[in-house]
Amino acid sequence: DAGVIQSPRHEVTEMGQEVTLRCKPISGHNSLFWYRQTMMRGLELLIYFNNNVPIDDSGMPEDRFSAKMPNASFSTLKIQPSEPRDSAVYFCASSFVGGGSPLHFGNGTRLTVT
Amino acid sequence: DQQVKQNSPSLSVQEGRISILNCDYTNSMFDYFLWYKKYPAEGPTFLISISSIKDKNEDGRFTVFLNKSAKHLSLHIVPSQPGDSAVYFCAASTDSWGKFQFGAGTQVVVTP
Repeated sequence: DAGVIQSPRHEVTEMGQEVTLRCKPISGHNSLFWYRQTMMRGLELLIYFNNNVPIDDSGMPEDRFSAKMPNASFSTLKIQPSEPRDSAVYFCASSFVGGGSPLHFGNGTRLTVT
Repeated sequence: DQQVKQNSPSLSVQEGRISILNCDYTNSMFDYFLWYKKYPAEGPTFLISISSIKDKNEDGRFTVFLNKSAKHLSLHIVPSQPGDSAVYFCAASTDSWGKFQFGAGTQVVVTP
């Protein structure tokens, strides 16, 4: 079991640029979650998918943020255009079914927008 | 609106002693609770869970207690070991989709 795989581990970009974060969930899991961790807000849920379908995107901060899950083994979180306040660690997590099943997190992508 | 609160940002404990981490919540509809441990530059890893139908769950050195009337849960680590030094998050969920809300975390430092 390779666990949840995120790429890149670190991303430094200039304000206004497009940023794409990638996630490969654990094989067999049918739910995928994108979280963001900041000092001010802690771990906050941005969006989650079940069977590749977005269920709740109420945590997405602005229209600049979008997420897709084209198949069961891949998801992207895109920020366009990026701003310095988007600087944070972005985590992807997956689980089976939901219903209280523990989330399995990737190691995160540390995003710095200058 | 923070519905899950960890009011102690840090905790220092001697090796071999008990670590007690606390978590309070405001939403009475939460029915499943998790504790996660996080090392620097890594993602949170699952430690232990408890559902609202129980008041205690134990797994080795880790025990979670749930007091529904007080909307409070705690994590006990006995005995504490240097490898337990990490940030601990509590998380709670109300729905069947596994949508969890996390507390701000408590940094635990276990000293020799």
